[in-house]
Amino acid sequence: DAGITQSPRHKVTETGTPVTLRCHQTENHRYMYWYRQDPGHGLRLIHYSYGVKDTDKGEVSDGYSVSRSKTEDFLLTLESATSSQTSVYFCAISGRDRRYEQYFGPGTRLTVT
Amino acid sequence: QQPVQSPQAVILREGEDAVINCSSSKALYSVHWYRQKHGEAPVFLMILLKGGEQKGHDKISASFNEKKQQSSLYLTASQLSYSGTYFCGTASGGSNYKLTFGKGTLLTVNP
Repeated sequence: DAGITQSPRHKVTETGTPVTLRCHQTENHRYMYWYRQDPGHGLRLIHYSYGVKDTDKGEVSDGYSVSRSKTEDFLLTLESATSSQTSVYFCAISGRDRRYEQYFGPGTRLTVT
Repeated sequence: QQPVQSPQAVILREGEDAVINCSSSKALYSVHWYRQKHGEAPVFLMILLKGGEQKGHDKISASFNEKKQQSSLYLTASQLSYSGTYFCGTASGGSNYKLTFGKGTLLTVNP
């Protein structure tokens, strides 16, 4: 295992509330990623980080923000959750070597009612 | 733009072979393959770098044709444990760290 955890693992929240998901790694990988997975869409990149305080947008970044204040932690925030953000969210890490194979966390199932 | 995987789904009997294809409209630097079992996280299988490398992982191998921007995953003598959804992730622009994933191919292996 790549030493990557996500919290919470399950969350139900109401439309309009803020939500923060946490990704924690113990592997000292440089890159960290947030994906969402929805039926029929595969994995879609939300945001990624290439170092402390260095982040960039992915293909579906609208409505999401991220922060990385420490190498081991990468936070994903939904400022005002909407039902369209109901999904399974995966964190991934990479950068141990130049192949950049990605290791995924166990996922967070988020339901916005 | 997401790479296109084909087929979307395939059903095999144990011991049969299968091929999963991944095609992109962009010039590719590398192709990554992952397998995801139901309710679990995706797991890395292999990476192919430009140059037409063919990699292997147990009885699973893959090829990469950079001129055609295509990769194929070959599953030989399939086992029940091969069941799951297979995703290709493609990297372009000269770096490996940012991937765009296909929508996946659901592989079911029956006894």
